[in-house]
Parts: sequence; C-alpha cells; structure tokens
Amino acid sequence: GAVVSQHPSRVICKSGTSVKIECRSLDFQATTMFWYRQFPKQSLMLMATSNEGSKATYEQGVEKDKFLINHASLTLSTLTVTSAHPEDSSFYICSARPSGRAHEQFFGPGTRLTVL
Amino acid sequence: GEDVEQSLFLSVREGDSSVINCTYTDSSSTYLYWYKQEPGAGLQLLTYIFSNMDMKQDQRLTVLLNKKDKHLSLRIADTQTGDSAIYFCAETYTGTASKLTFGTGTRLQVTL
Repeated sequence: GAVVSQHPSRVICKSGTSVKIECRSLDFQATTMFWYRQFPKQSLMLMATSNEGSKATYEQGVEKDKFLINHASLTLSTLTVTSAHPEDSSFYICSARPSGRAHEQFFGPGTRLTVL
Repeated sequence: GEDVEQSLFLSVREGDSSVINCTYTDSSSTYLYWYKQEPGAGLQLLTYIFSNMDMKQDQRLTVLLNKKDKHLSLRIADTQTGDSAIYFCAETYTGTASKLTFGTGTRLQVTL
C-alpha cells in the first residue's frame, strides 16, 4: 500500500515551452500533496503544498505563476512548469499525505526535467 | 529557520553495522523520519519516531533520539550492498502543517 506514481519519469523540452508533471496516489486518498525540487547531490527543497480543492501554498522564493499547481481530486495533483528555461532543469519529486494520517508522507519516484 | 545537518559520507563493510547521524536545531520537532533514496529514484520511508520516544526498532533498523542534544541516529545492523544509498533525516515541527524539513543527506557506501 501507499504507492505514489509520477508521470512522466523523464522529460526533455525546449526553452519556452510548458511541461506538466502528474502525481497520483494509487491506493489511498490524499488531501494534501507536496512538491519538492532536488538539485544534484543536494537535499529536497519544498516548493509548495497542494490541498485538494483549494489554492496551493508556495514557499518563499517560489514563483506561483511559473510553477502552477492543481489538486483537482483526492488522488491527483499536477505541477506545470510554464515557459521553462534551462535553470528549471531539476529533479521534481512529489509526496502525498494520506487523509487522516497527518504524520506520514509517501513519495513518488520523481521526474527528471531537462530544458534545452 | 530550522537547520538539519548530516555528515556527507559513510563507508562500511558488508555485514558491519552502520550508524548515520543527524543533528537539528529546533526543539519543537514532532515527528522525525528516516528516508532512503537510491540513484535517480524517489524517497522511501524507512521508519519514523515520535518526539516523545527515545528509541524505535524495526527489524535491522534502530532509531535513537536524544532530545536534549537534538540528535537523531539510524543504525542499520548487518549492512548489505543493497543498503547503499543516500539517507535523509527529516522532521516536522509544531505549527508547520506537517511540512517536512530535510537534512543534507548521507551517502552510505557498502563495500565487500
């Protein structure tokens, strides 16, 4: 149980295009999902907290117009990187918190984004 | 803000015990976690401990928490080559809506 998937696992795009990443909780409902960014050989940085049916809460320094988050259902959150640039290249990881289990988070396998 | 530190690298021989350490600065932590990350993959939750506990054991894994010294450790008994990965400690704090703050990560290398 407690499986989280991400799609795609890897994406390469041209500068200026937008890329959508999906995060799904496969066997549980998640009121809250989180989006992280990880640079090579570094720790995870929380970008935003996504709550089902409401606006995402962004961490300081994260541009909400650039990283659009939608959490339309209890099993799906999406992150759209708009007008991507090479500096947006990174490993994006989502996590999901099962409803009613506030102290647990389960992570997806990550999405490697490369912007040319 | 919260600061969570780990040593960068640990090398152990197969069959030995590994001890990965983590120190933190904020005393209002509620839950403390250990995650494992293999190359190019997401994070796997290994174990977690509530902040009012001193120790938790789960098969080969033992977590020790010293709240006075703000020190958390993960001991892996009988370390195997499949344990080679990066290990992150993480914490949640009172009043932060269960947001995780991650440590810097420790790369564990298991040699034959």
